[in-house]
Amino acid sequence: QVQLVESGGGLVQPGGSLRLSCIASGFPFGNFGFHWVRQAPGKGLEWVAFIQYDAKKKLYADSVRGRFTISRDNSKSAVYLQLNSVRPDDTAVYFCARDVEPFAMTAAEGCDYWGQGTLVTVSS
Amino acid sequence: QSVLLQPPSVSGAPGQRVTISCTGSSSNIDAGFDVHWYQKLPGTAPKLLIYENDKRPSGVPDRFSGSKFGASASLAISGLQAEDEGDYYCKSYDNSRSGFVVFGDGTKLTVL
Repeated sequence: QVQLVESGGGLVQPGGSLRLSCIASGFPFGNFGFHWVRQAPGKGLEWVAFIQYDAKKKLYADSVRGRFTISRDNSKSAVYLQLNSVRPDDTAVYFCARDVEPFAMTAAEGCDYWGQGTLVTVSS
Repeated sequence: QSVLLQPPSVSGAPGQRVTISCTGSSSNIDAGFDVHWYQKLPGTAPKLLIYENDKRPSGVPDRFSGSKFGASASLAISGLQAEDEGDYYCKSYDNSRSGFVVFGDGTKLTVL
């Protein structure tokens, strides 16, 4: 069955760095694009970043562009989110999610499978 | 405030039908980009209810339906059940600036 498992969250100081991982299984990983989505405490869902199935397109929310980097390693069925220069307002549960459709050429697809989320807390 | 506007809250009694609207603009919904709907319950991952405006993933009851017209989309939930109580989000793509994905601010559904 399809599974996405996030890890790497934790407590980090403002200005610090963290790398989140999302390990996928149960489907042909290289055929799908992935998103990172976060939810801050008491807030709504916020889209963070997208990576196309072939990694040729990467998109970022304005709030994280220049600080966060999305990447993938098809040999490990993994998607990563590198968080640099973190701020207190980056505190959130971070989810990775898979596109519904394989080989999508845009970030406009729905996401049918999600991980359970990993909590990032930015505090001194 | 998101570029996709949703009502903050809706409510209905068990068995009733409710609708949640999602209003966008010429750079997202009205530009032809699809709308997707998610249910978010506390402590759980978001669940895809509707994708590509009106398609239901397998396993989603047909009580949930979606539609899109012009710059707006709607999620309808009929035969309300207590377990439907939670937050609902629309999502689309916006082609302004360099392009980005956008969620609405969410709608809290209360089953009375």
